[in-house]
Amino acid sequence: SQTIHQWPATLVQPVGSPLSLECTVEGTSNPNLYWYRQAAGRGLQLLFYSVGIGQISSEVPQNLSASRPQDRQFILSSKKLLLSDSGFYLCAYTGQGIMGELFFGEGSRLTVL
Amino acid sequence: GENVEQHPSTLSVQEGDSAVIKCTYSDSASNYFPWYKQELGKGPQLIIDIRSNVGEKKDQRIAVTLNKTAKHFSLHITETQPEDSAVYFCAALYSTLTFGKGTMLLVSP
Repeated sequence: SQTIHQWPATLVQPVGSPLSLECTVEGTSNPNLYWYRQAAGRGLQLLFYSVGIGQISSEVPQNLSASRPQDRQFILSSKKLLLSDSGFYLCAYTGQGIMGELFFGEGSRLTVL
Repeated sequence: GENVEQHPSTLSVQEGDSAVIKCTYSDSASNYFPWYKQELGKGPQLIIDIRSNVGEKKDQRIAVTLNKTAKHFSLHITETQPEDSAVYFCAALYSTLTFGKGTMLLVSP
């Protein structure tokens, strides 16, 4: 079966510090991978997506970057966090099978102080 | 690009009542319409979806209807229970999924 793991679940960081959120997918190969942010309120904003190793597309200009060093690993990073980076970050994937079925991880709550 | 509007933003019902959440989309080429349920502090979970070649799909107490001509689709929950309380998102797929802004459903016992 396919599963998605995301960590850490909760993170409190000072302004200007670096960030690394990790996501791994099991049970499927060559998934499309996504990072979403859910700020105060409920909207889901697509930040990055990747269709393969080293292939990253950015949807919005921002202070964050993404990398895909392995087929089933997706990393969200920042060199210097801003207050506005606070939010709930969700990793997601579409696996082999019917196109469009998107599965989310449990999320990482980031608070920047 | 695709634009998805979702209404209402908040919906309060009594246990046992039905709940309906409606979404409209802008791109007539969209062909896949999933619904997600997000409980507090968790990631969204896919609960039901519909593709453009059907008009209605049902799974126990939940159903989704699609009107491609009018470009709108709806989620119907019957016999609501307190555990149905959550935020629900609709989405439409053309090249990537575009989400609505969510509906907070509150089911009172």
